[in-house]
Amino acid sequence: ILNVEQSPQSLHVQEGDSTNFTCSFPSSNFYALHWYRWETAKSPEALFVMTLNGDEKKKGRISATLNTKEGYSYLYIKGSQPEDSATYLCAFIDNTDKLIFGTGTRLQVFP
Amino acid sequence: EAGVTQFPSHSVIEKGQTVTLRCDPISGHDNLYWYRRVMGKEIKFLLHFVKESKQDESGMPNNRFLAERTGGTYSTLKVQPAELEDSGVYFCASSQDRVGYTFGSGTRLTVV
Repeated sequence: ILNVEQSPQSLHVQEGDSTNFTCSFPSSNFYALHWYRWETAKSPEALFVMTLNGDEKKKGRISATLNTKEGYSYLYIKGSQPEDSATYLCAFIDNTDKLIFGTGTRLQVFP
Repeated sequence: EAGVTQFPSHSVIEKGQTVTLRCDPISGHDNLYWYRRVMGKEIKFLLHFVKESKQDESGMPNNRFLAERTGGTYSTLKVQPAELEDSGVYFCASSQDRVGYTFGSGTRLTVV
């Protein structure tokens, strides 16, 4: 059974704080690691697709790193804003071509 | 480019009734996936179509669920008869390769 774990489950921060979340996944048969941002009643929005060990990707104030050998990825948000409030999902793909999701980290940013 | 469209956005049905969910993928995307999120839990894979063929249906919960993709375009997911534990958000995603997945906004199914 493949497990993808995300921590923390939820996070409340003040506007301007920087924050980070963890995603851990199986280190065998790794193909890719996806990060999504999801607001209820909307489509999960793709943030990053990471494939190479040591990858670092950045999109505005959000960045992510990947360690495939030890099976973890970090997502960082610098200077959180209220509009960053959402659930952040990571999903692992192995050679079976299906996304295996973690339960997500629910972020709330207070003004 | 139009995204992945799902219909209806919400459905409330009684236990024992039938519901059909529809997904229109991005035009030209051969891969179409169904996923489901039960409240408080992770999004879980249901099945994967490549064009009109079922590539992997290992995530389908039981034989009350039937998915079709006639002609390799849109897909339907029918639940018959619906049970209380079928409540959740049903997502569809499409992809042309294994790298970029585009999700629809989901159908929130409530069985009462």
